[in-house]
Amino acid sequence: GQNIDQPTEMTATEGAIVQINCTYQTSGFNGLFWYQQHAGEAPTFLSYNVLDGLEEKGRFSSFLSRSKGYSYLLLKELQMKDSASYLCARGNYGQNFVFGPGTRLSVLP
Amino acid sequence: DSGVTQTPKHLITATGQRVTLRCSPRSGDLSVYWYQQSLDQGLQFLIHYYNGEERAKGNILERFSAQQFPDLHSELNLSSLELGDSALYFCASSVKDSPGQFFGPGTRLTVL
Repeated sequence: GQNIDQPTEMTATEGAIVQINCTYQTSGFNGLFWYQQHAGEAPTFLSYNVLDGLEEKGRFSSFLSRSKGYSYLLLKELQMKDSASYLCARGNYGQNFVFGPGTRLSVLP
Repeated sequence: DSGVTQTPKHLITATGQRVTLRCSPRSGDLSVYWYQQSLDQGLQFLIHYYNGEERAKGNILERFSAQQFPDLHSELNLSSLELGDSALYFCASSVKDSPGQFFGPGTRLTVL
């Protein structure tokens, strides 16, 4: 999706921590956003970064480095229900987003 | 529940036909975005409306059109349908100065 790259698939174990990376080649956007999407369902908004650094929201944290064109989503204390696709998107408030291809995460017992 | 509604939930039609998908944004949201998601592709941005006016166009085919009405609901019209148009169509809404977009449940279109 327009110069946004994510790993296609990842597998992790229940209770573990997993980091999902997102790299992009374009500058000039307000924020880097993360969405969770279960199969056949709507994407749901998880987290966003406007400034460089780490934003923490419960079990989910997201990190952004604009100079490196890099973001990641960190999921802690993985649960089975976290099995889903995770989409990163770059965008500006009130304008369309450009989504990455998504990372399909499988959480195993 | 995001507060964004879409109808119908499922739509099955034949090639060459025309369909209309409907979206009602969250209360107070002026922006509506349409996205297409097919099996082999991620979310592809189609078009954005803000308070009734077209703001941006993405990878939207000429056979597709959209509009946003005074009550802020939006419709996406797909005509001369082809097999490759089978996909999930999502609309999302947002407030101008707020991060994040909130997605409706989607309309699954199947073209036979």
